[in-house]
Amino acid sequence: QQQVKQSPQSLIVQKGGISIINCAYENTAFDYFPWYQQFPGKGPALLIAIRPDVSEKKEGRFTISFNKSAKQFSLHIMDSQPGDSATYFCAASKTAGNKLTFGGGTRVLVKP
Amino acid sequence: NAGVMQNPRHLVRRRGQEARLRCSPMKGHSHVYWYRQLPEEGLKFMVYLQKENIIDESGMPKERFSAEFPKEGPSILRIQQVVRGDSAAYFCASSPGLEQYFGPGTRLTVT
Repeated sequence: QQQVKQSPQSLIVQKGGISIINCAYENTAFDYFPWYQQFPGKGPALLIAIRPDVSEKKEGRFTISFNKSAKQFSLHIMDSQPGDSATYFCAASKTAGNKLTFGGGTRVLVKP
Repeated sequence: NAGVMQNPRHLVRRRGQEARLRCSPMKGHSHVYWYRQLPEEGLKFMVYLQKENIIDESGMPKERFSAEFPKEGPSILRIQQVVRGDSAAYFCASSPGLEQYFGPGTRLTVT
């Protein structure tokens, strides 16, 4: 049973555009939602994370929006740059320090 | 502060051999997690350990796989009698309690 569904699978955006990736979860016990960025051949790097008591969190060009009632959260990459081309994973965990359940990933390509 | 270290980075094993993957967490981190990533797929949780204790092994295959995190030294993920289906990237992550920071991974190829 896939507990975190991520869409789209791939995304092409022009330089300067906005990349939007969506995730939906099923388990209402999840209370920590991080996003990871992964380049080919590298390990995932923690990008930004949110807890359910906050509806939005922004760090630089990256923003997480969280909708608790809909059980959905999304990542927005503003002013996308070619260096942002990577695979992005959303994840969720039940409690602090517990195992992460990952979405299937979104491959983002930013065209110059 | 060095990041999470994993070795070897690449490992080739023949079917039936044993694979040992090592993970040294970031300094001060007492929580270690192992995840497996199959080609073109997301990461799947395998096991969660603290020093000398397995906290959650719900993602570990029942046979051939084991993990430890001794009082001294790195965490070890051990795969006995490897099969072709074990070919994957294995990542460990360490945590001080909430955020998980991943290592560069070990890419296992079973021939």
